[in-house]
Parts: sequence; structure tokens; C-alpha cells
Amino acid sequence: DADVTQTPRNRITKTGKRIMLECSQTKGHDRMYWYRQDPGLGLRLIYYSFDVKDINKGEISDGYSVSRQAQAKFSLSLESAIPNQTALYFCATRDTRNTEAFFGQGTRLTVV
Amino acid sequence: QKEVEQNSGPLSVPEGAIASLNCTYSDRVSQSFFWYRQYSGKSPELIMSIYSNGDKEDGRFTAQLNKASQYVSLLIRDSQPSDSATYLCAVNPAKTSYDKVIFGPGTSLSVIP
Repeated sequence: DADVTQTPRNRITKTGKRIMLECSQTKGHDRMYWYRQDPGLGLRLIYYSFDVKDINKGEISDGYSVSRQAQAKFSLSLESAIPNQTALYFCATRDTRNTEAFFGQGTRLTVV
Repeated sequence: QKEVEQNSGPLSVPEGAIASLNCTYSDRVSQSFFWYRQYSGKSPELIMSIYSNGDKEDGRFTAQLNKASQYVSLLIRDSQPSDSATYLCAVNPAKTSYDKVIFGPGTSLSVIP
């Protein structure tokens, strides 16, 4: 099993619908991140969390919200999906400062 | 100015040649630097991490860091077709209270057999 698991892997949803992307990890890391990836733009940080009581906005948090239900779980929600939120979404975890990030398999989201 | 910049490419090199990938960053006091490889539709995977000025070698890969010039590079020797991928430069800015990891847009590398 993957250390960082994202569900669903693929999702097509309609404009205006609420959708949740889930991430769980077995690495025991405190730090968790949500990124979105668009062609030519690399990975852009949406939200990040140090622990269940610590949630921080990234560079593109508008239109998104997150929930850190437990150390191992970090969910990303789109309250009212719009077509320009069509992207590949990655969850990542990290152990301590200055160490590498470990990524989930990604969720390909299409908003029609 | 973007926090992390890379040439988007595509960069094409013949098999067996050296591929040179470059990255610049804006936060002068950044502490840690990473190179990730990403195949199309897959998640990024770590190639190299570097924290101090100079070179760090791992097999066919060499990372070079110059903090004074705010520049980090990745050299791939004896390039293979399997090296064809997008390479992402990532930086951990030091000025933030919590350690964000900021990625560049990536450079697409194509190794021609």
C-alpha cells in the first residue's frame, strides 16, 4: 500500500457542486500539504498544516477549504466547483523542516 | 518576481550527453533545495536534496548550489531515454514560520535515442 493515499484518483463533477478530496498517510508525518498542478505552472500550494490545530493558507487558497481530521488525514474541499479548478491535485507529507516531501498518487479533477 | 523560476524547456539532449537543468530562487535566506522528477501523469519523486554551497553527487546526478547567486542546478550525466520527464526545482524558504515548500514550474527534458 502507498504511504500517502489520495481518494478518489479521478473525478468528474459539475459546476457548483461541492466535492471533497481525501488524503491519508501512514508515514507518521506531522506536516501535510495540498497542491494543484496545471500545465506550465508547476505545483502551487493551496493549504498546509502542521498539526490538527494548525491550518495555513497557501498561495492559491481562494475557493478551497481544508480539514485536518487527525494527524494522518487531511481533506481538501471545493465548496462550489468551477471549471478553472480542473487540475491535478496532489497531497504531500513531510517529516521535519528541510526534509523532502512525499506525494500521493494524485487526483485528476475535471469540473464541467 | 516568482519565488522559484526554471526554464520551461523543452530541453532535448542526445542519449549519453549531459543534461543541465537550472533554477533560480528569490528568497536569499532559503535553507534547503530539492530536485524532483515527474513522469507524465505521475507524482513527483525526489532525485536530490542539497543544503550547502557546492556540489553533491549521487550516481549520474549532480546538484550544484550557489547561495550567493541564488542558483541551483542539476546535471544528469550519460542521459538515458528513461530520464525523459519534467524536473521540478523546490525550495524551502527560511523566512516563513512554517516550512512551505515552493516549486518552480518545471523543465521538460527529452533524451533522444
